[in-house]
Amino acid sequence: QKEVEQNSGPLSVPEGAIASLNCTYSDRGSQSFFWYRQYSGKSPELIMSIYSNGDKEDGRFTAQLNKASQYVSLLIRDSQPSDSATYLCAVRGTSGSARQLTFGSGTQLTVLP
Amino acid sequence: ETGVTQTPRHLVMGMTNKKSLKCEQHLGHNAMYWYKQSAKKPLELMFVYSLEERVENNSVPSRFSPECPNSSHLFLHLHTLQPEDSALYLCASSQDGATKAFFGQGTRLTVV
Repeated sequence: QKEVEQNSGPLSVPEGAIASLNCTYSDRGSQSFFWYRQYSGKSPELIMSIYSNGDKEDGRFTAQLNKASQYVSLLIRDSQPSDSATYLCAVRGTSGSARQLTFGSGTQLTVLP
Repeated sequence: ETGVTQTPRHLVMGMTNKKSLKCEQHLGHNAMYWYKQSAKKPLELMFVYSLEERVENNSVPSRFSPECPNSSHLFLHLHTLQPEDSALYLCASSQDGATKAFFGQGTRLTVV
């Protein structure tokens, strides 16, 4: 059974701080990892993808992947109130139905002005 | 705009009605998906059409019926739904079913 686990939060951080969002997954064969941002009442928006161990930076966002620990995280530096949203972790496997995206339940982030 | 368009954006239907949701993608992708998002639950994959092959979640009730006439269009036909089917229905597309997926704006469905 594939599972993607996230702390549902809510996670509150002050403006300007670093927000750290975590995700673990159970399928050791997973190869692709994604972070989506979803504002209330809106659809998910892809913000980061990562495929190999280590860090990947894009602006204020850094995705971190550790396949040995089956762990992927998202860091948001200099958090802004506009970053307040639910962040969804998604994992894709390598074959058959495992090639489909499996989503976590999301972490709700609130950035306090 | 993500290149994936869903209509209608909002739908209210009775339990005896028949309706269809439409999705169109302009990204040249060859895989399309239907997801259901209920409050406080993870996104649930309902159906996938990838490279002409259909993959479905066996837990989806038969009152939901997908149709994919070509790689750019996807429909979800609805009939005799239940109030618990009220949710946000999201369409997504990707290339080859293995890369990042892009979502449409969703259809907010309410069954009364």
